[in-house]
Amino acid sequence: KAGVTQTPRYLIKTRGQQVTLSCSPISGHRSVSWYQQTPGQGLQFLFEYFSETQRNKGNFPGRFSGRQFSNSRSEMNVSTLELGDSALYLCASSLALGSSGRYEQYFGPGTRLTVT
Amino acid sequence: DAKTTQPTSMDCAEGRAANLPCNHSTISGNEYVYWYRQIHSQGPQYIIHGLKNNETNEMASLIITEDRKSSTLILPHATLRDTAVYYCIVRALPGGSNYKLTFGKGTLLTVNP
Repeated sequence: KAGVTQTPRYLIKTRGQQVTLSCSPISGHRSVSWYQQTPGQGLQFLFEYFSETQRNKGNFPGRFSGRQFSNSRSEMNVSTLELGDSALYLCASSLALGSSGRYEQYFGPGTRLTVT
Repeated sequence: DAKTTQPTSMDCAEGRAANLPCNHSTISGNEYVYWYRQIHSQGPQYIIHGLKNNETNEMASLIITEDRKSSTLILPHATLRDTAVYYCIVRALPGGSNYKLTFGKGTLLTVNP
C-alpha cells in the first residue's frame, strides 16, 4: 500500500506570496492532519480534516487555511508569506476519526518551504 | 502545550535495550499514550500506543505505570537505524479537549556502535 505523499517536496517563495501544498493520504484513510515543524517550535498542529470538513484547528493565524476533497486528498494554503513561515510542513493520514483509539497517524515526507 | 516530559537526549549501545522514559503526570483517564519517532529529514513514524496495559508490537514495548503518570518505551535490541528523536504524546479520543496530536521536544536517542 502506498504511503502518504506530499507535493512539492521543496519550495522557495518570497515574502508576501502565497503557497499551496498538497497531500494524498493512504488509500482508504479519510482523516488528514497538517503540522508545521521548525527547529525552535518543534512540531505544531495546524488543522485536521475528515469528510471534507475541518474538525480540529491549532493556534495559527487565518493566513493558514486548508481543505479536503471528496477523494480525501487535502491542500493547505498559506497567504501573505512571512519569513517565519519557513518550515517543514507535514501531512498525516489516519483511517478514521472517532474510532476506538486505533487511529495512529501515518506521516508523509513533508514539504520544505523556504521563504526569502 | 505538550503534557509530557522527556529527557533531551540519551545514548545506547548497539544491540542493547534502549529504555526511553516519559512523564505524563497530568494525564486524564480518557487519554492514550502514543510514541512516535522521527529520523532526520523524514516524517514522524508511529511506534506504539496504549491506555493502561502494557503493549508490545514488532517494533517496541510500552510499559505504563499503574498510576499512568509515566511510561517507558523499550526498544529491545537497538540498531544504528534506531537513532532518531522519540516523541511521547498523550491524546484523548476524538471529541475530547486534547484530541489533537501535540508533540513536545522529544528525546534524541543516539545508538552507538
